[in-house]
Amino acid sequence: DAGITQSPRHKVTETGTPVTLRCHQTENHRYMYWYRQDPGHGLRLIHYSYGVKDTDKGEVSDGYSVSRSKTEDFLLTLESATSSQTSVYFCAISESGGQGEQFFGPGTRLTVL
Amino acid sequence: KNQVEQSPQSLIILEGKNCTLQCNYTVSPFSNLRWYKQDTGRGPVSLTIMTFSENTKSNGRYTATLDADTKQSSLHITASQLSDSASYICVVTSGGSYIPTFGRGTSLIVHP
Repeated sequence: DAGITQSPRHKVTETGTPVTLRCHQTENHRYMYWYRQDPGHGLRLIHYSYGVKDTDKGEVSDGYSVSRSKTEDFLLTLESATSSQTSVYFCAISESGGQGEQFFGPGTRLTVL
Repeated sequence: KNQVEQSPQSLIILEGKNCTLQCNYTVSPFSNLRWYKQDTGRGPVSLTIMTFSENTKSNGRYTATLDADTKQSSLHITASQLSDSASYICVVTSGGSYIPTFGRGTSLIVHP
């Protein structure tokens, strides 16, 4: 498996609380992505990064922010969690952006009560 | 808007049987198409990649085809095994894009 980890793996939180998910890679890949996966929707892109401090929005970015201060770490923050953000979150890395294979982390299951 | 449509949404087959999953896309300009397998509770893993000039590629019992003219791809699974039970996701990338376009996947269940 590609060296990519996510933490925490499971989290239950309450509406209105801030939540930060961490993605860590040991592959030195330039591109990193955050997706959410919900039944009936498949994988949807939240935010992505094309280098340290370089990030951009995906199709479902509202309510989420990201930061990448080091090559190996990409953080996803829910400033004020809502029940609609209950989902499974996947981080992915790629050496060559959209052209290359994406390697996915194990996922984080987030439940917002 | 770039789109990837997969069919069927779900499929149930008996162990040992063959099956074919379909993927239609409107991504332009086309760069490559990948099929991913996602086991329950895990992240997707790439099975095959197809570029414009390729029309068939195999990975063991998995064979992917690509018709760039009709913008269709298929994934054929031969002699299915219980371990093939998973979601299969078609992903298409356009030239110069950082962002691939994902299909919603086909859920395959293989029964003994």
